[in-house]
Amino acid sequence: DAGVTQSPTHLIKTRGQQVTLRCSPKSGHDTVSWYQQALGQGPQFIFQYYEEEERQRGNFPDRFSGHQFPNYSSELNVNALLLGDSALYLCASSLKTRGLGWNEQFFGPGTRLTVL
Amino acid sequence: AQSVAQPEDQVNVAEGNPLTVKCTYSVSGNPYLFWYVQYPNRGLQFLLKYITGDNLVKGSYGFEAEFNKSQTSFHLKKPSALVSDSALYFCAVRESYGQNFVFGPGTRLSVLP
Repeated sequence: DAGVTQSPTHLIKTRGQQVTLRCSPKSGHDTVSWYQQALGQGPQFIFQYYEEEERQRGNFPDRFSGHQFPNYSSELNVNALLLGDSALYLCASSLKTRGLGWNEQFFGPGTRLTVL
Repeated sequence: AQSVAQPEDQVNVAEGNPLTVKCTYSVSGNPYLFWYVQYPNRGLQFLLKYITGDNLVKGSYGFEAEFNKSQTSFHLKKPSALVSDSALYFCAVRESYGQNFVFGPGTRLSVLP
């Protein structure tokens, strides 16, 4: 049973460029959340996708956008990259349970994005 | 708004001694509480959760956590620390039917041989 997978592992971009990160959820999960983890900090919630729609969003600008596909996989897109976007981007999957909402999240290994 | 505090940036403990990593939270409704561990250059690994029921929750690798509603705390504990427990520990909370997980800033645990 594959866990959460993310690609690529590492990425180097320059300011102003655009980047796309990819995530495949754990088998059986239907919800994908994206987090940004800056060095020395806890993960910050970017947004969550369920049933191919963005359900909730954290305090991130519109430069950050996403998509969820029918197979539950997801992409995170960041436009007009800034130096401050350098971080570890984590994808987490979970399963919405009737009556309980979302349970624990399982995280992928992350994509390390460096913006020069 | 939900929030999580981990008052200690760093916790040092000798191998074989008990360890505690502290977490306090704030939510407007009933809390769902989680602990995760992160090893260098790795994603977060789930340790344990509190949803409802017994205040003492047992999780992976011998860890447990105690939910205290009156003190709004969810401290992580282990009776006997191992050097391999050295890592970054994150407490997280979400409201019972909410979608958004909020993570604390993390506590670095160092277990000294």
